[in-house]
Amino acid sequence: AQSVTQLGSHVSVSEGALVLLRCNYSSSVPPYLFWYVQYPNQGLQLLLKYTSAATLVKGINGFEAEFKKSETSFHLTKPSAHMSDAAEYFCAVSDRIQGAQKLVFGQGTRLTINP
Amino acid sequence: DSGVTQTPKHLITATGQRVTLRCSPRSGDLSVYWYQQSLDQGLQFLIQYYNGEERAKGNILERFSAQQFPDLHSELNLSSLELGDSALYFCASSEGQGGYQPQHFGDGTRLSIL
Repeated sequence: AQSVTQLGSHVSVSEGALVLLRCNYSSSVPPYLFWYVQYPNQGLQLLLKYTSAATLVKGINGFEAEFKKSETSFHLTKPSAHMSDAAEYFCAVSDRIQGAQKLVFGQGTRLTINP
Repeated sequence: DSGVTQTPKHLITATGQRVTLRCSPRSGDLSVYWYQQSLDQGLQFLIQYYNGEERAKGNILERFSAQQFPDLHSELNLSSLELGDSALYFCASSEGQGGYQPQHFGDGTRLSIL
Protein backbone atom coordinates (compact mmCIF):
# COMPACT_ATOMS: atom_id res chain seq x y z
CA ALA A 1 0.00 0.00 0.00
CA GLN A 2 1.09 3.52 -0.71
CA SER A 3 1.68 6.02 2.05
CA VAL A 4 2.88 9.57 2.60
CA THR A 5 4.71 11.23 5.45
CA GLN A 6 4.64 14.94 6.04
CA LEU A 7 7.58 16.17 8.04
CA GLY A 8 6.55 18.83 10.50
CA SER A 9 3.02 19.18 11.78
CA HIS A 10 3.53 22.92 12.18
CA VAL A 11 5.57 25.31 10.06
CA SER A 12 5.87 29.02 10.76
CA VAL A 13 7.38 31.54 8.34
CA SER A 14 7.47 35.30 8.02
CA GLU A 15 5.47 37.09 5.39
CA GLY A 16 7.58 37.28 2.23
CA ALA A 17 9.77 34.32 3.19
CA LEU A 18 10.11 31.03 1.38
CA VAL A 19 7.55 28.37 2.20
CA LEU A 20 8.75 24.76 2.18
CA LEU A 21 6.41 21.95 3.21
CA ARG A 22 7.88 18.47 3.09
CA CYS A 23 6.26 15.29 1.83
CA ASN A 24 7.81 11.88 1.32
CA TYR A 25 5.95 9.01 -0.24
CA SER A 26 6.20 5.26 -0.23
CA SER A 27 5.04 3.54 -3.38
CA SER A 28 5.84 0.33 -5.20
CA VAL A 29 4.69 1.79 -8.51
CA PRO A 30 5.05 5.23 -10.10
CA PRO A 31 2.83 7.36 -7.90
CA TYR A 32 0.16 9.92 -8.55
CA LEU A 33 0.68 12.66 -5.97
CA PHE A 34 -1.43 15.60 -4.89
CA TRP A 35 -1.25 18.60 -2.58
CA TYR A 36 -4.45 19.95 -1.05
CA VAL A 37 -5.04 23.01 1.14
CA GLN A 38 -7.70 23.30 3.82
CA TYR A 39 -8.74 26.70 5.11
CA PRO A 40 -10.64 26.89 8.41
CA ASN A 41 -14.17 25.52 8.17
CA GLN A 42 -13.73 24.64 4.53
CA GLY A 43 -13.14 21.56 2.45
CA LEU A 44 -9.94 20.50 0.75
CA GLN A 45 -8.93 22.48 -2.30
CA LEU A 46 -6.61 20.98 -4.89
CA LEU A 47 -3.34 22.92 -5.17
CA LEU A 48 -1.53 20.76 -7.70
CA LYS A 49 -1.02 17.22 -8.92
CA TYR A 50 1.80 15.05 -10.26
CA THR A 51 0.77 12.46 -12.81
CA SER A 52 4.14 11.43 -14.31
CA ALA A 53 4.51 14.25 -16.83
CA ALA A 54 6.84 17.11 -15.82
CA THR A 55 8.66 16.64 -12.52
CA LEU A 56 8.19 20.31 -11.59
CA VAL A 57 4.51 20.96 -11.16
CA LYS A 58 2.99 24.42 -10.90
CA GLY A 59 -0.22 24.91 -9.00
CA ILE A 60 -2.56 27.64 -7.94
CA ASN A 61 -1.72 30.62 -5.71
CA GLY A 62 1.97 30.57 -6.67
CA PHE A 63 2.72 27.12 -5.25
CA GLU A 64 4.80 24.51 -6.97
CA ALA A 65 6.16 21.07 -6.14
CA GLU A 66 9.01 18.98 -7.47
CA PHE A 67 8.80 15.22 -7.81
CA LYS A 68 12.13 13.59 -6.95
CA LYS A 69 12.07 9.85 -7.46
CA SER A 70 15.56 9.31 -6.02
CA GLU A 71 14.48 10.96 -2.77
CA THR A 72 10.85 9.73 -2.87
CA SER A 73 9.83 13.30 -2.18
CA PHE A 74 7.22 15.75 -3.37
CA HIS A 75 7.91 18.92 -1.40
CA LEU A 76 5.66 21.97 -1.78
CA THR A 77 7.22 25.42 -2.13
CA LYS A 78 6.25 29.04 -2.60
CA PRO A 79 8.90 31.73 -3.03
CA SER A 80 7.17 34.41 -1.00
CA ALA A 81 4.60 33.72 1.70
CA HIS A 82 1.46 35.77 1.99
CA MET A 83 -0.80 36.10 5.01
CA SER A 84 -3.57 34.42 3.05
CA ASP A 85 -1.47 31.23 2.78
CA ALA A 86 -2.12 30.41 6.44
CA ALA A 87 -3.95 27.08 6.33
CA GLU A 88 -3.43 23.33 6.69
CA TYR A 89 -1.75 21.54 3.83
CA PHE A 90 -2.13 17.87 2.98
CA CYS A 91 0.00 15.71 0.74
CA ALA A 92 -1.77 12.68 -0.74
CA VAL A 93 -0.95 9.68 -2.90
CA SER A 94 -3.40 7.70 -4.99
CA ASP A 95 -3.55 4.08 -3.85
CA ARG A 96 -5.14 1.19 -5.67
CA ILE A 97 -7.76 -0.64 -3.61
CA GLN A 98 -10.05 -3.44 -4.75
CA GLY A 99 -9.68 -2.40 -8.37
CA ALA A 100 -10.47 1.23 -7.60
CA GLN A 101 -8.48 4.17 -6.29
CA LYS A 102 -8.47 6.04 -3.03
CA LEU A 103 -6.41 8.91 -1.68
CA VAL A 104 -4.06 8.26 1.22
CA PHE A 105 -3.29 11.47 3.08
CA GLY A 106 -0.44 12.60 5.23
CA GLN A 107 -1.17 13.94 8.68
CA GLY A 108 -1.11 17.52 7.44
CA THR A 109 1.10 20.55 8.07
CA ARG A 110 -0.35 23.67 9.59
CA LEU A 111 1.27 26.74 8.06
CA THR A 112 1.40 29.95 10.08
CA ILE A 113 2.48 33.24 8.53
CA ASN A 114 4.01 35.85 10.81
CA PRO A 115 3.60 39.51 9.86
CA ASP B 1 -16.18 26.52 -5.28
CA SER B 2 -15.39 22.87 -6.03
CA GLY B 3 -18.84 22.12 -7.39
CA VAL B 4 -19.39 19.38 -4.79
CA THR B 5 -22.29 20.11 -2.47
CA GLN B 6 -22.72 18.56 0.94
CA THR B 7 -25.67 18.92 3.27
CA PRO B 8 -26.13 19.59 6.07
CA LYS B 9 -23.06 21.61 7.08
CA HIS B 10 -23.52 20.83 10.74
CA LEU B 11 -25.33 18.04 12.53
CA ILE B 12 -25.72 17.66 16.25
CA THR B 13 -27.32 14.53 17.63
CA ALA B 14 -27.16 12.06 20.49
CA THR B 15 -25.62 8.66 20.97
CA GLY B 16 -27.61 5.80 19.52
CA GLN B 17 -29.22 7.94 16.84
CA ARG B 18 -29.06 7.61 13.06
CA VAL B 19 -28.18 10.37 10.58
CA THR B 20 -27.92 10.74 6.81
CA LEU B 21 -25.35 12.90 5.08
CA ARG B 22 -25.95 13.94 1.50
CA CYS B 23 -23.57 14.71 -1.34
CA SER B 24 -24.08 16.02 -4.86
CA PRO B 25 -21.00 15.53 -7.04
CA ARG B 26 -19.65 17.93 -9.63
CA SER B 27 -21.55 17.93 -12.87
CA GLY B 28 -20.20 15.13 -15.05
CA ASP B 29 -18.38 13.27 -12.28
CA LEU B 30 -19.31 9.62 -11.93
CA SER B 31 -17.20 8.69 -8.91
CA VAL B 32 -18.09 9.66 -5.36
CA TYR B 33 -15.83 9.10 -2.36
CA TRP B 34 -16.49 9.50 1.36
CA TYR B 35 -13.77 10.40 3.85
CA GLN B 36 -13.76 10.95 7.60
CA GLN B 37 -11.51 13.56 9.19
CA SER B 38 -10.83 13.37 12.90
CA LEU B 39 -8.08 14.74 15.14
CA ASP B 40 -6.74 11.33 16.08
CA GLN B 41 -7.10 9.47 12.77
CA GLY B 42 -6.61 12.27 10.26
CA LEU B 43 -8.27 11.86 6.85
CA GLN B 44 -9.45 8.30 6.29
CA PHE B 45 -11.10 6.82 3.20
CA LEU B 46 -14.45 5.23 3.89
CA ILE B 47 -16.06 4.12 0.64
CA GLN B 48 -16.25 4.80 -3.10
CA TYR B 49 -19.04 4.55 -5.63
CA TYR B 50 -18.83 4.70 -9.40
CA ASN B 51 -21.93 5.27 -11.50
CA GLY B 52 -24.19 3.81 -8.85
CA GLU B 53 -22.10 0.82 -7.89
CA GLU B 54 -19.95 0.33 -4.82
CA ARG B 55 -16.32 -0.06 -5.92
CA ALA B 56 -14.12 0.07 -2.84
CA LYS B 57 -14.39 0.02 0.91
CA GLY B 58 -11.90 1.39 3.36
CA ASN B 59 -12.07 1.79 7.10
CA ILE B 60 -15.84 1.97 7.21
CA LEU B 61 -17.65 0.62 10.24
CA GLU B 62 -20.48 -1.88 9.81
CA ARG B 63 -22.80 0.70 11.40
CA PHE B 64 -22.13 2.95 8.42
CA SER B 65 -23.51 2.45 4.93
CA ALA B 66 -23.74 4.45 1.74
CA GLN B 67 -25.35 4.43 -1.65
CA GLN B 68 -25.22 6.32 -4.91
CA PHE B 69 -28.48 7.03 -6.68
CA PRO B 70 -29.27 7.10 -10.42
CA ASP B 71 -28.89 10.89 -10.45
CA LEU B 72 -25.38 10.26 -9.01
CA HIS B 73 -25.93 11.95 -5.68
CA SER B 74 -24.79 9.91 -2.71
CA GLU B 75 -25.84 9.45 0.88
CA LEU B 76 -23.82 8.23 3.84
CA ASN B 77 -25.89 6.69 6.60
CA LEU B 78 -24.47 6.50 10.12
CA SER B 79 -26.40 4.51 12.72
CA SER B 80 -26.12 3.62 16.40
CA LEU B 81 -23.95 6.66 16.76
CA GLU B 82 -21.19 6.75 19.35
CA LEU B 83 -19.21 9.65 20.76
CA GLY B 84 -16.23 8.58 18.71
CA ASP B 85 -18.15 9.14 15.49
CA SER B 86 -17.88 12.88 15.99
CA ALA B 87 -15.85 14.07 13.02
CA LEU B 88 -15.87 15.99 9.78
CA TYR B 89 -17.21 13.90 6.91
CA PHE B 90 -16.15 14.83 3.41
CA CYS B 91 -17.52 13.82 0.08
CA ALA B 92 -15.32 14.05 -3.00
CA SER B 93 -15.98 13.37 -6.65
CA SER B 94 -13.94 12.67 -9.76
CA GLU B 95 -14.72 12.18 -13.41
CA GLY B 96 -13.72 8.52 -13.48
CA GLN B 97 -11.74 6.04 -11.44
CA GLY B 98 -8.21 6.67 -12.64
CA GLY B 99 -5.66 7.37 -9.95
CA TYR B 100 -4.37 10.31 -11.98
CA GLN B 101 -7.73 12.03 -11.77
CA PRO B 102 -7.91 14.52 -8.89
CA GLN B 103 -10.73 14.30 -6.41
CA HIS B 104 -12.70 17.46 -5.71
CA PHE B 105 -13.97 17.90 -2.19
CA GLY B 106 -17.08 19.42 -0.71
CA ASP B 107 -17.00 21.60 2.40
CA GLY B 108 -17.92 18.68 4.62
CA THR B 109 -20.53 17.89 7.24
CA ARG B 110 -19.44 18.39 10.83
CA LEU B 111 -21.07 15.75 12.99
CA SER B 112 -21.18 16.27 16.73
CA ILE B 113 -22.43 13.51 19.00
CA LEU B 114 -23.53 14.62 22.45
